[in-house]
Amino acid sequence: QVQLVQSGSELKKPGASVKISCKASGYTFTTYAMNWVRQAPGQGLEWMGWINTDTGTPTYAQGFTGRFVFSLDTSVDTAYLQITSLKPEDTAVYFCARETSLAATGTVFDFWGQGTLVTVSS
Amino acid sequence: SYVLTQPPSVSVAPGKTARITCGGSNIGTKSVHWYQLKPGQAPVLVLSYDTDRPSGIPERFSGSNSGNTATLIISRVEAGDEADYYCHLWDGDSDLHVFGTGTKVTV
Repeated sequence: QVQLVQSGSELKKPGASVKISCKASGYTFTTYAMNWVRQAPGQGLEWMGWINTDTGTPTYAQGFTGRFVFSLDTSVDTAYLQITSLKPEDTAVYFCARETSLAATGTVFDFWGQGTLVTVSS
Repeated sequence: SYVLTQPPSVSVAPGKTARITCGGSNIGTKSVHWYQLKPGQAPVLVLSYDTDRPSGIPERFSGSNSGNTATLIISRVEAGDEADYYCHLWDGDSDLHVFGTGTKVTV
């Protein structure tokens, strides 16, 4: 069965970096794009962008350029989200989500990771 | 950018029907998906492309989408349905994924 398993919670100081992993299993990793979604405390879901798992090409949503980096290691079917120069406002749960197209009218996130809590505090 | 508006909360008695709306400009022309979020768990897709239930999702979950409103309908609500629900669509005009503001369902 399809599973996305994310790395555990992180506590970081402002200015530090963090790298979150999302390990996929149960399907051919390079066939489906991987998206990243953020949920800040008490807030809703916010789409961060996606990475083409076949080519490794990332696309970042507005507000997630510069300090946010999507990457892959296809040898271990894992996607990564790295955030540099962390700020307290980066404190959030970060989800990975597999994207699939089941109809011509658009794509859907059919499987999600369990989320990784990143806390940025001095 | 495209905005999707949901009511912050919906309260429903067990066994009754919950209706969660998702408002957006001409949303009826787009495909809307719905996710269930429970604390500490992976979000679950409960409805895709307006009305399609993924495998394993009870028939109690259904949906509609027309005009400026998409709706997730949960029939015969159970205690286990208590969660946050988000609508989502891909806006082809901007090539962006957009989430609704989220609705907390209390049973």
